Amino acid sequence: EPEVTQTPSHQVTQMGQEVILRCVPISNHLYFYWYRQILGQKVEFLVSFYNNEISEKSEIFDDQFSVERPDGSNFTLKIRSTKLEDSAMYFCASTDPGNEKLFFGSGTQLSVL
Amino acid sequence: GENVEQHPSTLSVQEGDSAVIKCTYSDSASNYFPWYKQELGKRPQLIIDIRSNVGEKKDQRIAVTLNKTAKHFSLHITETQPEDSAVYFCAAPGLYSSASKIIFGSGTRLSIRP
Repeated sequence: EPEVTQTPSHQVTQMGQEVILRCVPISNHLYFYWYRQILGQKVEFLVSFYNNEISEKSEIFDDQFSVERPDGSNFTLKIRSTKLEDSAMYFCASTDPGNEKLFFGSGTQLSVL
Repeated sequence: GENVEQHPSTLSVQEGDSAVIKCTYSDSASNYFPWYKQELGKRPQLIIDIRSNVGEKKDQRIAVTLNKTAKHFSLHITETQPEDSAVYFCAAPGLYSSASKIIFGSGTRLSIRP
């Protein structure tokens, strides 16, 4: 069965540094998402992306965050200047048009020191 | 809808007994309600979902019921087993969302006592 893949599985960075989290959505999917989950809390929506632009974003997704689909397969989340509170598990997800079912990647655990 | 309330936050049941987790949503236009199971350190896994044209759906020991009038839906797990221990999240579409966005509830940590 096709899967959403994410790299790296763990990322440790210093406060103020830039990080890029990478995702490869399922190949025929056209909607892409980033969610985050702070340890012990719920899964929170960050952003959705369709047709090479952001469809929706949450209040969490401020100017420090950006997303990009640099080629036909990757979907990235960039945090420009990380803060301690950005430490969380970041999940990428994708789906195809007309399908409400989201397929999640295995996540990137980001630790900001 | 945009606001999804879930309870209880923790639930402990004896192995073999049933577990029920309840969620409410705010957007009456919502029409898709998935349930996810998340084991420690893993991704959320879809276990069952229901659409608003049905009131109940079953898959072996798992069932979901939907009451559109009251805007709530529930997950029922019967004959619970140790491997059912996990965090369960309900979800519903985002308010006015055109991008299949889903909003998660706050989660229920289910523990099965041997």
